[in-house]
Amino acid sequence: GDSVTQMEGPVTLSEEAFLTINCTYTATGYPSLFWYVQYPGEGLQLLLKATKADDKGSNKGFEATYRKETTSFHLEKGSVQVSDSAVYFCALSDYQGAQKLVFGQGTRLTINP
Amino acid sequence: KAGVTQTPRYLIKTRGQQVTLSCSPISGHRSVSWYQQTPGQGLQFLFEYFSETQRNKGNFPGRFSGRQFSNSRSEMNVSTLELGDSALYLCASTLGSGNKGTEAFFGQGTRLTVV
Repeated sequence: GDSVTQMEGPVTLSEEAFLTINCTYTATGYPSLFWYVQYPGEGLQLLLKATKADDKGSNKGFEATYRKETTSFHLEKGSVQVSDSAVYFCALSDYQGAQKLVFGQGTRLTINP
Repeated sequence: KAGVTQTPRYLIKTRGQQVTLSCSPISGHRSVSWYQQTPGQGLQFLFEYFSETQRNKGNFPGRFSGRQFSNSRSEMNVSTLELGDSALYLCASTLGSGNKGTEAFFGQGTRLTVV
């Protein structure tokens, strides 16, 4: 079945550092790809998405490019802030006609001032 | 525009009891999905309802069930609770078009503790 693999956390960085969180996927079809973020005590919020190969999703300084050839969707940010501390989830949706997300395990990110 | 509302936020139940969780989707959204989040298994899909019909189901035992009402509000029920059912249960709503690129909007979740 479909699956998503994220780099293991936790990840701790200093403010203004460069961030990469790796995400690779396995899917039988042509999925849409997402990054969701979860702040403490909250549900998930969509950070960005891409629906076809070579699409780049971006939001709040975060970017990820849909790479079909490497089945990857790595999350990057050039300069992280303390407020970026959260848990990040990579996810795919490969189910036309239904709403179902398959999530990676999540990566806890802590940014120190 | 009000977001996805889940009630209650916290629940403590005893093993063997049953529990019902509620989810009110964003106005106009017709699809409601449920997910279980645990430290060991991460986020796992339970089921999805669209127009009062279950459209998709994950790999959970029959003790987990759900339903959707005509106003799109959804409930999920867990019977004969086990300690392993302790988790954060998240509800997500979408318009329901079935387009795989659709954004899902999540509630804050219900934290269930089984003792």
